Amino acid sequence: DAKTTQPPSMDCAEGRAANLPCNHSTISGNEYVYWYRQIHSQGPQYIIHGLKNNETNEMASLIITEDRKSSTLILPHATLRDTAVYYCIVNPGNTPLVFGKGTRLSVIA
Amino acid sequence: GAVVSQHPSWVICKSGTSVKIECRSLDFQATTMFWYRQFPKQSLMLMATSNEGSKATYEQGVEKDKFLINHASLTLSTLTVTSAHPEDSSFYICSASLQGASYEQYFGPGTRLTVT
Repeated sequence: DAKTTQPPSMDCAEGRAANLPCNHSTISGNEYVYWYRQIHSQGPQYIIHGLKNNETNEMASLIITEDRKSSTLILPHATLRDTAVYYCIVNPGNTPLVFGKGTRLSVIA
Repeated sequence: GAVVSQHPSWVICKSGTSVKIECRSLDFQATTMFWYRQFPKQSLMLMATSNEGSKATYEQGVEKDKFLINHASLTLSTLTVTSAHPEDSSFYICSASLQGASYEQYFGPGTRLTVT
């Protein structure tokens, strides 16, 4: 079973920041927070992951609360190509990823 | 880097026949590969974990005699759907992992199987 809770869907205007929340209140100390996305009829794409500290890469930023019970994925300037299902997954890094239902992000022109 | 390919990208087969799907890590060695299945409008469901040179570990409810997995090398794993039936029609996705302190799984583009 997925250990995360995400809103089923969100809309975002093109060019604006998309902030996708995720609750993982039962996360263990050795578990990372991973984010993947799946564009329609494609395999999931890795976005970012983190343990405690906030992380940033060329795709997104990951903000993890101090108690690690929730996190937010930020796409700073959403484009139409960012329309996808976004999955937040907690995992210790040495077991298979378990996918929940994710958040369907629709970027609107 | 870390590219995973699948072949074929789509396949249509008749009920009762077998279909083989290949998963390759193109630019890295993957000691572990995973096979997932995804039905329309649903999330990915893990079917099995495949380690190079050993038998695959299947998730509960997945028939190992129906879904044959072979991981003969560090860059290739195959999934064979034997005696396929229409209910096996699905999107099959593989992934491969780079082991390390916190490894990431890299996913293939998926194979859409339609059984008629």
